[in-house]
Amino acid sequence: DTGVSQNPRHKITKRGQNVTFRCDPISEHNRLYWYRQTLGQGPEFLTYFQNEAQLEKSRLLSDRFSAERPKGSFSTLEIQRTEQGDSAMYLCASSPGLVILTDTQYFGPGTRLTVL
Amino acid sequence: AQSVAQPEDQVNVAEGNPLTVKCTYSVSGNPYLFWYVQYPNRGLQFLLKYITGDNLVKGSYGFEAEFNKSQTSFHLKKPSALVSDSALYFCAVIGGLTFGTGTRLTIIP
Repeated sequence: DTGVSQNPRHKITKRGQNVTFRCDPISEHNRLYWYRQTLGQGPEFLTYFQNEAQLEKSRLLSDRFSAERPKGSFSTLEIQRTEQGDSAMYLCASSPGLVILTDTQYFGPGTRLTVL
Repeated sequence: AQSVAQPEDQVNVAEGNPLTVKCTYSVSGNPYLFWYVQYPNRGLQFLLKYITGDNLVKGSYGFEAEFNKSQTSFHLKKPSALVSDSALYFCAVIGGLTFGTGTRLTIIP
């Protein structure tokens, strides 16, 4: 399977704990995106990378959130001191990175986070 | 600012009937519009996109969408609905990294 993969698929944690998610994009895709999706809502943009450079961050990405893409391949999203409001599906997508306005993004299956 | 709106939270269609899922947009500059589908506990799957050219765009699984500049709409359509089309559908302006709130489509056997 050469699609976008995300691990873990599910994560249950207690409030105040740190969690880290991993995303492996489609190989040769330059851009990688993180979104958050809550029940009944569309995906909300968090941040995106062009290769290893983090080019844009949403105001939704509080100081407790950090994302990295150290070698321009896989990416990690870390949430520190989790809160119940962080419970959501975290989606990763990648795109070829040709022209951002028209790039098709390909999504992974998501990581569902539950904060107790 | 770029935005899309999906005015219907839920659409029910009988199997075999044509279906339409509505989307309107507000963008500055040229609109580049996308449709994605999401099945339960799955990520989003790309259906089709409008970049330029023909206003009728054909995509995966027999879906098509009609771009209407005067009405600022990009409605998703299919001539004959299947039960397997039941899912959550999202309209998006990718350049704005903005998705609509989604429309749940239910096809009734």
